[in-house]
Amino acid sequence: DQQVKQNSPSLSVQEGRISILNCDYTNSMFDYFLWYKKYPAEGPTFLISISSIKDKNEDGRFTVFLNKSAKHLSLHIVPSQPGDSAVYFCAASARRGSSNTGKLIFGQGTTLQVKP
Amino acid sequence: KAGVTQTPRYLIKTRGQQVTLSCSPISGHRSVSWYQQTPGQGLQFLFEYFSETQRNKGNFPGRFSGRQFSNSRSEMNVSTLELGDSALYLCASSWASGSGEQYFGPGTRLTVT
Repeated sequence: DQQVKQNSPSLSVQEGRISILNCDYTNSMFDYFLWYKKYPAEGPTFLISISSIKDKNEDGRFTVFLNKSAKHLSLHIVPSQPGDSAVYFCAASARRGSSNTGKLIFGQGTTLQVKP
Repeated sequence: KAGVTQTPRYLIKTRGQQVTLSCSPISGHRSVSWYQQTPGQGLQFLFEYFSETQRNKGNFPGRFSGRQFSNSRSEMNVSTLELGDSALYLCASSWASGSGEQYFGPGTRLTVT
């Protein structure tokens, strides 16, 4: 049972355009969501997060949107740059749930390619 | 601040052996979580330690164990290695259990032959 899903394995965009990465979740106990970027042979790098009490969070070129009723979140990168090319993972946690404390559930990842 | 460090970075072991991996969290972080990444299963949670206590455990066999020391450094151990244990093992730290963001180390690439 995959609780966090990234249905698009890959995405290709032109430099300067917007990249939109999507993520769906099934567990209504999730109250915190994160996006990570990963290069091969390296650990994931934290990008941005959002609490379930918000529907939007921005940090520079990165914006995360959360739609709780649809159990959907998305990461927008504007403008996209070639250096953004990497695998992007969304992750979720249920911080208030005692059995899930400190546990991140990851999606399968989306490979983003930004073409110059 | 120095990031999360993991040693060793690469390891080759033979089936049936055991292995110990080490993780040093970011200074001031007291929670350490471990994850396994494989091509087929993706990133999966192994366990979390906070204040030297295991707070949560993923769905892995008892061959996978860990511990945390008083300085928050953590080790994980895998006994009786199987070919399927070949993976990238990632350690992540956060300032407290359930605090939200976790910061990952570079990982240890374990190959079991």
